[in-house]
Amino acid sequence: GAGVSQSPRYKVAKRGQDVALRCDPISGHVSLFWYQQALGQGPEFLTYFQNEAQLDKSGLPSDRFFAERPEGSVSTLKIQRTQQEDSAVYLCASSRGTSGGAGYEQYFGPGTRLTVT
Amino acid sequence: GQNIDQPTEMTATEGAIVQINCTYQTSGFNGLFWYQQHAGEAPTFLSYNVLDGLEEKGRFSSFLSRSKGYSYLLLKELQMKDSASYLCAVASGTYKYIFGTGTRLKVLA
Repeated sequence: GAGVSQSPRYKVAKRGQDVALRCDPISGHVSLFWYQQALGQGPEFLTYFQNEAQLDKSGLPSDRFFAERPEGSVSTLKIQRTQQEDSAVYLCASSRGTSGGAGYEQYFGPGTRLTVT
Repeated sequence: GQNIDQPTEMTATEGAIVQINCTYQTSGFNGLFWYQQHAGEAPTFLSYNVLDGLEEKGRFSSFLSRSKGYSYLLLKELQMKDSASYLCAVASGTYKYIFGTGTRLKVLA
């Protein structure tokens, strides 16, 4: 009974480096979300996929952030030219719901803690 | 704008009852969720309300009033393991979820 997994769990990057964060959702879950969580704050929505289609990317903070889910399962969040303000925990969540997940609980992964030095 | 308010911190005693309030103002409403998050861990689902009223699930209950933009999470028979952050989240649209900043609950022996 695998849940949502994310890798790496911790990532230290020097300012200006590119990073790639991976999310393996629960098998068969249609919806996949990425969130950014700063210390002491709630998760902030970044982007949403329904299968392989990215239906909402309105929360991505800048064009340095890019997400993909090419085969409708594994997803990758890429951050180019990292900045110190990108330091946060990046959470991935999946849901079996097809209507964007409304009404269906989200299952969260453990997150990737990104520190940009 | 879209806003969710909940108290920053609460403290309660083991065995007691605590109520965590959440008020929201969002452009849309497709339901309200409560999640529990232990420090350094992923949020886990507790409850979901889309209609007015009380939903009970064991020691946890959640209430919703859509006309007032108000919800609460009620925790009974508090245990030490209930010390965590409790996140209120609104599905404000088809895909978008708005989370509050969370309420850190400390349960004292």
